[in-house]
Amino acid sequence: QSVLTQPPSVSGAPGQRVTISCTGSSSNIGADYDVHWYQQLPGTAPKLLIYANINRPSGVPDRFSGSKSGTSASLAITGLQAEDEADYYCQSYDSSLSAPYVFGTGTKVTVL
Amino acid sequence: QVQLVQSGAEVKRPGASVKVSCKASRYTFTGYYIHWLRQAPGQGLEWMGWINTNSGGTNYAQKFQGRVTMTRDTSISTAYMELSRLTSDDTAVYYCAREDQLRFDHWGQGTLVTVSS
Repeated sequence: QSVLTQPPSVSGAPGQRVTISCTGSSSNIGADYDVHWYQQLPGTAPKLLIYANINRPSGVPDRFSGSKSGTSASLAITGLQAEDEADYYCQSYDSSLSAPYVFGTGTKVTVL
Repeated sequence: QVQLVQSGAEVKRPGASVKVSCKASRYTFTGYYIHWLRQAPGQGLEWMGWINTNSGGTNYAQKFQGRVTMTRDTSISTAYMELSRLTSDDTAVYYCAREDQLRFDHWGQGTLVTVSS
């Protein structure tokens, strides 16, 4: 059972802006652990998209941005493109658990 | 460019074991932990454990304790994950991933393990 909660799906037309929320608790995101985001294109492995809340690895377009506040985090995609259609997962750390590397439930982004 | 290349798909009978390999290249293998995660069909990501590639120390999720063994061979920069007493619930794509400061910055391509009688 996932510790971090995400909406199952979001959708938008090309060029629009969509956001994905990631809600945790005081033992993970609220404990000041960083949030990271992964993009999983159909049939492929996850790819690191945002790390340490707001940072983009080299090669990730600046259309993707992250933020964090309190016990939640968000991923925003501006100027939505067809190639952004994928599953997105947030991830953090929870020191109270025996499996401390925790993931969100995942969000399917559909480009209309 | 960092690469993690995993072994191919496996089909196993219930009760059997499976061993998946993950060969690292283009970075210092012993400088980073390797983690194993899995994703059941249509489901999310599940963390299984890590191996300290330098010391060989391991840490497993409680769910897999007693059934999973993670090892490494530093001479060939390869990590292994063996899961025993397989059931149909273990059918999943298994990933290895490199950890950098509590995040997974590089992933293997995944290995599909199918458990079926």
